[in-house]
Amino acid sequence: RKEVEQDPGPFNVPEGATVAFNCTYSNSASQSFFWYRQDCRKEPKLLMSVYSSGNEDGRFTAQLNRASQYISLLIRDSKLSDSATYLCVVNRSGYNKLIFGAGTRLAVHP
Amino acid sequence: GAVVSQHPSWVICKSGTSVKIECRSLDFQATTMFWYRQFPKQSLMLMATSNEGSKATYEQGVEKDKFLINHASLTLSTLTVTSAHPEDSSFYICSARAPDSNTEAFFGQGTRLTVV
Repeated sequence: RKEVEQDPGPFNVPEGATVAFNCTYSNSASQSFFWYRQDCRKEPKLLMSVYSSGNEDGRFTAQLNRASQYISLLIRDSKLSDSATYLCVVNRSGYNKLIFGAGTRLAVHP
Repeated sequence: GAVVSQHPSWVICKSGTSVKIECRSLDFQATTMFWYRQFPKQSLMLMATSNEGSKATYEQGVEKDKFLINHASLTLSTLTVTSAHPEDSSFYICSARAPDSNTEAFFGQGTRLTVV
């Protein structure tokens, strides 16, 4: 079983739609959580960190459920420019490595 | 924000030759850098952790003699793919993290290697 699992998608949604991505992680020692965005043939870029209390940044909302070892990303009012692959990333305490999920592809169409 | 620069952005080489990829942290000192490989439609796979002034730590299944890593300074790590073969063709990306280990990682622009 992979340490970080994501639905690979693709998610094909119209502009303005709300879309949710899910991610589960297997190691309970994981301490830090992130969502990265990767455009085709580009490097990943941090979208947002994920905090236990949940956090929001504009149209993006991230949630963390430590008991279920589950992370989510909600995108509201999707834009064409949101089309990308979204990577769920975890970091274990004292283990200075980021573990990446396989990513979920999002395609927003007019 | 912090910037990591990777060079070259793409390279085509012949089978059997070696290719060196550089990764520089431009505005912070990175005692640790990471090297990833990404095949098409797959996730980033960590190859090795590069430690300044000491030997790199390789992930299971990664040949240390084939993928030579040197981290001679706090701002530069290099990955050399030795005796490259077509199956080594991939997207190689480096990253570095600021001293606080819980902060985000900054990625280089990636190097697309094609071995012909």
